[in-house]
Parts: sequence; C-alpha cells; structure tokens
Amino acid sequence: KQEVTQIPAALSVPEGENLVLNCSFTDSAIYNLQWFRQDPGKGLTSLLLIQSSQREQTSGRLNASLDKSSGRSTLYIAASQPGDSATYLCAGNTDKLIFGTGTRLQVFP
Amino acid sequence: NAGVMQNPRHLVRRRGQEARLRCSPMKGHSHVYWYRQLPEEGLKFMVYLQKENIIDESGMPKERFSAEFPKEGPSILRIQQVVRGDSAAYFCASSPELTSTDTQYFGPGTRLTVL
Repeated sequence: KQEVTQIPAALSVPEGENLVLNCSFTDSAIYNLQWFRQDPGKGLTSLLLIQSSQREQTSGRLNASLDKSSGRSTLYIAASQPGDSATYLCAGNTDKLIFGTGTRLQVFP
Repeated sequence: NAGVMQNPRHLVRRRGQEARLRCSPMKGHSHVYWYRQLPEEGLKFMVYLQKENIIDESGMPKERFSAEFPKEGPSILRIQQVVRGDSAAYFCASSPELTSTDTQYFGPGTRLTVL
C-alpha cells in the first residue's frame, strides 16, 4: 500500500531564503510524482510533474527532483517570497494520486 | 479551454439529507477522479471513472456514497443520508483520454457542510 509522507509539516522562514521540502513514498511503482500548491480554502494548483523516468523538473524558482530507488522527492524553492505562502502537497501517481499530508509554508517579509 | 468545473462551490445540508456534487471535466478529458479532504487532513482518493464506467472505487465508503459519469453531462458524486462526518472539501480532477498517467487537473472543490 502506497504511503506518502512529507517533512516538515510546517515551515516559517523570512523572505529570500532558499527552501527544501521533502516527500517520501513507500512504493516505487509510480508513473509519476506531482507537486501541488494549495492556498487556504482553495483548490490545487499543479506546480511540477516528474515522470518516473526523469530525475528532475524545473519551473522558474521551483525545482523538483525524484529518486525512485530511495522513494524520495524534494521541492526546492529559490529566493522565497511572501506570495509563496501556502500548503505544498506531493502526490505519487499509480492511476490514482496518493497524497502526502502537506507542508504548510509561511514566508514573512 | 475552461478548466475543471465543480458546482456548487459550497453546499449546506442537514443530517439525513442528500448531497449531489457535480463535476464537468476539461474538454476532451474522459477520465474523472474524486478526492475528499477532511478538515486538517490530506486529500484521499475516492473513485476513478471513465465515461459510463467505474474503474476504481477502492476509496469510496461502502454505504451512502455513489458516483457516476454518464455519456452525456457531468460526473456526479452522490451522498445519501449525510452525517456530520461527511463535512469536507470534495475535489474533482480530470485527465486526458489517451493516458491515465498524465497530469490530473483539479477543480476548485465543493465544500460540504453538514449541520
């Protein structure tokens, strides 16, 4: 049974810091891994998708890596801004998405 | 190309009533997924449907919950005889026809409150 864990559960940092959010999964038989952003009371915004054959994906200040053999993915946020404040979710895709419980990020000015 | 549409956005029901949640996938998408997010918890998979077929309902509660995706019209998640524990945000996602392993695009969710 696939289980997805995210560490840390919450993070509060000053503006400008570089951040690493961690995601681990127990079953390496995933098609891909997705990172999402969820603002309070809102839906999910897809940030990055890494196929199982890939090792990383980049979009702007975001970089996500995937190591299937160790069951880990990281989301790297460069030069964080207050607008990055949100909950970040990772999800392993095995036809259905198995979500972690998220990392709640607060970036203060 | 409009995104995934869900309605209503907010739904209030009294215990024992029925709740119907609707999801219109993105144009050209024939795969629909329903997820539930309980307060202070992560999103949990409920059901995966293609047109007129339920593919995987392993996350659906055995009683009171049902889902359909008819040939015409939106996908419907139906909750009969709601209880307070059904209060949650229900999200629908869709993905393209050719593969179920592509990105899933999420709707804004329906927030159900059971009084």
